[in-house]
Amino acid sequence: GAVVSQHPSRVICKSGTSVKIECRSLDFQATTMFWYRQFPKKSLMLMATSNEGSKATYEQGVEKDKFLINHASLTLSTLTVTSAHPEDSSFYICSARREAGGAKNIQYFGAGTRLSVL
Amino acid sequence: GENVEQHPSTLSVQEGDSAVIKCTYSDSASNYFPWYKQELGKGPQLIIDIRSNVGEKKDQRIAVTLNKTAKHFSLHITETQPEDSAVYFCAASINDYKLSFGAGTTVTVRA
Repeated sequence: GAVVSQHPSRVICKSGTSVKIECRSLDFQATTMFWYRQFPKKSLMLMATSNEGSKATYEQGVEKDKFLINHASLTLSTLTVTSAHPEDSSFYICSARREAGGAKNIQYFGAGTRLSVL
Repeated sequence: GENVEQHPSTLSVQEGDSAVIKCTYSDSASNYFPWYKQELGKGPQLIIDIRSNVGEKKDQRIAVTLNKTAKHFSLHITETQPEDSAVYFCAASINDYKLSFGAGTTVTVRA
């Protein structure tokens, strides 16, 4: 099956630093990727839609200057949490949409990144 | 926007019994309904999906049913095994684009 790689799996940083998370589709090209945030024992909350070659689309309430998204190629999207603070600590998950034509498009998820801001 | 409700929030079943999780959605335009299984500390894995042009889909011990009129869909797991223990999420979307997730169901299979 399709594989989505997310790196790093875990990061611990000091307050005020920036953290970059990478999401790669390993065996298919993805013009669209999505970034989610998940709190403990909660559901996935969509943060933004990452579009290859254009600006990301952010969901209401998500600060675009705080969560920078870059989708520079058909296999890579990055999420940078700028000036991270303890309240940004969370589980961040990306997904990549495999477009197979017709009714065959499927989203595959990465393994997630656990961010802890001290 | 789309609102997906999922029940129950927790489900404990004896190994070998069946497990059923139900979801409802609000947007009648939604036409794609995937189910994901998430194990602790990992990302969600697609286990089965259904599109609005069919009412039922089965893959070995897993089946999903869809009632478009009532706007609800269900996941059925038969002959449950301990490795089925996980959190299960339903989701709904229009044209398999943005996914709106349910709150999740923690399934525990007792040996």
